[in-house]
Amino acid sequence: DIQMTQSPSSLSASVGDRVTITCRASQDISIYLAWYQQKPGRVPDLLIYGASTLQSGVPSRFSGSGSGTDFTLTISSLQPEDVATYYCQRYNSAPQTFGQGTKVEIK
Amino acid sequence: QVQLVQSGAEVKKPGASVKVSCKASGYTFTSYAMHWVRQAPGQRLEWMGRINAGNGNTKYSQIFQGRVVITRDTAASTVYMELSSLTSEDTAVYYCARLGYTGYDEGWCRPWGQGTLVTVSS
Repeated sequence: DIQMTQSPSSLSASVGDRVTITCRASQDISIYLAWYQQKPGRVPDLLIYGASTLQSGVPSRFSGSGSGTDFTLTISSLQPEDVATYYCQRYNSAPQTFGQGTKVEIK
Repeated sequence: QVQLVQSGAEVKKPGASVKVSCKASGYTFTSYAMHWVRQAPGQRLEWMGRINAGNGNTKYSQIFQGRVVITRDTAASTVYMELSSLTSEDTAVYYCARLGYTGYDEGWCRPWGQGTLVTVSS
C-alpha cells in the first residue's frame, strides 16, 4: 500500500506566522491528495482537495500545492482558530491512506 | 442540507461484534459512496472501507483482515459498518463520511458523521 508521511508531527507558532506542513507519498499519486482539519474534540473537515483546490468556505489563508509524491499545506498567517491537527489523505485508490497528522499550536 | 447521523456509543466485550449505523438525509442516497474511518484515542485517522450506495460494491482495508463488513439499506438511507472479533485495540471513534461527488467510489469526503465511540473492555 502507498504510505503517507507528514512532517512535522507537531509545531508551535505565533499568531501571524506562516506555517508549512509537508506530506510525502511513497508512490506517485498525481494530485489525488486532500487535507483535513480536525479541531480538538471535533469531527474532521475538508480543507483542500485535488492538492490545491480550496473547499468552499475555507479561509484564503489556507493553500495547498504539490503533485506526484510531495505536497504542502500552508497557512499564510496563523490565527488562533487554526489550532487543530491537520491530516493529508491520498484518494487515488483504496485504501485511502491518511498521514499521521500534524498538530498545530499557538506559541 | 446533507446530514449524516450515526448511532450512539457502544461498549463491547473482547471477541464480540459491533454494528454502527449512519443515516443519511438531504441528498439522493444511492448517488454517493460512503466511507468509514476510525480514530483510536490520540491516534491518526484510519481508513476502513467504503460502499457504493447504489450497487452495494464494497472495498476494505486489508488492515482489518476480513473483520469489517459494510452494508447499506437503500429504503432507510442508512449505511452500516460491522466489526467483528473486537479487541481493546478497536476502541476508537468510528466515522462515516460521504464521498464529495457522484460517479466515483474513491475520493475526498465531506460531510462526516458525528462519530460513534466504541469501547472494547472486559
